[in-house]
Amino acid sequence: DTGVSQNPRHKITKRGQNVTFRCDPISEHNRLYWYRQTLGQGPEFLTYFQNEAQLEKSRLLSDRFSAERPKGSFSTLEIQRTEQGDSAMYLCASRPAGGGYNEQFFGPGTRLTVL
Amino acid sequence: ELKVEQNPLFLSMQEGKNYTIYCNYSTTSDRLYWYRQDPGKSLESLFVLLSNGAVKQEGRLMASLDTKARLSTLHITAAVHDLSATYFCAGRAPNFGNEKLTFGTGTRLTIIP
Repeated sequence: DTGVSQNPRHKITKRGQNVTFRCDPISEHNRLYWYRQTLGQGPEFLTYFQNEAQLEKSRLLSDRFSAERPKGSFSTLEIQRTEQGDSAMYLCASRPAGGGYNEQFFGPGTRLTVL
Repeated sequence: ELKVEQNPLFLSMQEGKNYTIYCNYSTTSDRLYWYRQDPGKSLESLFVLLSNGAVKQEGRLMASLDTKARLSTLHITAAVHDLSATYFCAGRAPNFGNEKLTFGTGTRLTIIP
């Protein structure tokens, strides 16, 4: 399977714990995105990488959130001191460089539940 | 800031009927996307519309874009059960270097046999 992969698929944690999610984009895709989706809503943009550079961050990304893409391949999203409001589906997407056909391909998501 | 609104939010329709989902956006968007999401699953890309008057069709789904009216439509022809899903439209503000997609809240479509 050559699609975007995310791990874990589900995470249950207690409030105050730290969690880390991983995203492996489609090979050769240099652009990588993180979105958050709560129940009944559309995805909301969190952050974007071009290769290893984090070029855009949403105001939704509080200082408890940090994302990295150290070698321009996989990415991690860490949430520190989780809160119940962080419960959501965290989606990763990727796309290749260039072109006007800027379709983003989404992974299966990591569903986070904070108790 | 770009805002995207979809209507209706919920739609139940009988098999064989036609219907249209509407997507309005607030400011200029240089491209419009339609995605499908099945329950508990991720988003599957359906269409990318890049210019005024663009029309794309795949099977029973047809999407169009009117940039002057800031409106995109997703038309469903002779609906079948396997089209039941949530459909999202998304736009992108044409600022230089902007990669952020802004999604609508989705239209949950249920096809009734």
